[in-house]
Amino acid sequence: EDQVTQSPEALRLQEGESSSLNCSYTVSGLRGLFWYRQDPGKGPEFLFTLYSAGEEKEKERLKATLTKKESFLHITAPKPEDSATYLCAVPVSGSARQLTFGSGTQLTVLP
Amino acid sequence: DVKVTQSSRYLVKRTGEKVFLECVQDMDHENMFWYRQDPGLGLRLIYFSYDVKMKEKGDIPEGYSVSREKKERFSLILESASTNQTSMYLCASSFRRTSGSEQYFGPGTRLTVT
Repeated sequence: EDQVTQSPEALRLQEGESSSLNCSYTVSGLRGLFWYRQDPGKGPEFLFTLYSAGEEKEKERLKATLTKKESFLHITAPKPEDSATYLCAVPVSGSARQLTFGSGTQLTVLP
Repeated sequence: DVKVTQSSRYLVKRTGEKVFLECVQDMDHENMFWYRQDPGLGLRLIYFSYDVKMKEKGDIPEGYSVSREKKERFSLILESASTNQTSMYLCASSFRRTSGSEQYFGPGTRLTVT
């Protein structure tokens, strides 16, 4: 059964304190891993797609990396506006359409 | 930029009412999805559609139906709303690819059934 597990569930950082969020997955034949940001009361916003181990993507203070079993979202020198829930997702095995989502990491950056 | 819009941000309905939630995307995506999101339960797929008039059940289709008469529009219907359908409803769309495809989400509809 496909599984996506995110850790930690919640993370509180001081402004400027870098850290990483983890997304581990068990699917047969990874066909992409997707990161999203979700602000309270809003829909998830697409951030990155990673397709192969060793691949990295960057956007402002965020960098996503991928290994064969997990992905990390590194946040460098975060600001309060980076506070959000970060979700990762992978395609469901045998489906080119559906995604399985993790339960998310709720990030709070304190000023 | 991909744009997915939903007909209402907030909706309050009474038990037993028929409820229509509409979603429109402007990127010519083949796939469209309806999810609900509840605290502690994450995103759960209700239905999805991979082409006009085509639909497939997701993980929690009971109590819901869908309609896709045009490529850009996907409607979620609650035939007889119940209080346990109070939730955040999210529409998403994606391209058809042989590999996985990222989904783009709308802003959500917060539905309250009283």
